[in-house]
Amino acid sequence: AQSVTQLDSHVSVSEGTPVLLRCNYSSSYSPSLFWYVQHPNKGLQLLLKYTSAATLVKGINGFEAEFKKSETSFHLTKPSAHMSDAAEYFCVAGGGADGLTFGKGTHLIIQP
Amino acid sequence: EAGVTQFPSHSVIEKGQTVTLRCDPISGHDNLYWYRRVMGKEIKFLLHFVKESKQDESGMPNNRFLAERTGGTYSTLKVQPAELEDSGVYFCASSQVWPPLRYEKLFFGSGTQLSVL
Repeated sequence: AQSVTQLDSHVSVSEGTPVLLRCNYSSSYSPSLFWYVQHPNKGLQLLLKYTSAATLVKGINGFEAEFKKSETSFHLTKPSAHMSDAAEYFCVAGGGADGLTFGKGTHLIIQP
Repeated sequence: EAGVTQFPSHSVIEKGQTVTLRCDPISGHDNLYWYRRVMGKEIKFLLHFVKESKQDESGMPNNRFLAERTGGTYSTLKVQPAELEDSGVYFCASSQVWPPLRYEKLFFGSGTQLSVL
């Protein structure tokens, strides 16, 4: 069994400041981990994925995430927020017979 | 290339009525998935088609939900009769990759917002 916990339902940052969206996972094996983003009225889009290769994963639009096994975390970061980053972000674990397990989502709000 | 499309984008119905949601996957994608997000909860798996066959329907909540994929192209998800707790966003996703455990190859639609009053 696997579970995903997104620690913040909403995160608000000012444009140009760093973004940190937190995610912890629990799994009986080493899952693949993903971050998806959903902009209003759009489909879920894959930002990045971790599949047991490099622990620091770079994604699209300047986002990256670091897999830390000792902390069972997969936090998403971006050095400088842009207004277009405002969206809902989902941390997802996947693998094996458990399929995809989604976190509850984090709304990222960008203040001008 | 067209993405995964879902219709309608929004549906408001009364309790006891029937609603049919449609999903058109990316052309050539054999794998089609339905997911649901109830308000305040996580996105949850409903079922998975491989072509026209149901590969896994373990996530279907009850027998009021019926999914079909005739001809292995588009899929419909019918709720009959709808109940209040069925309200939420229904997502469809598709992938070409087999086996379907390569989830990074999954493409999602924008979802159908279903409101049951």
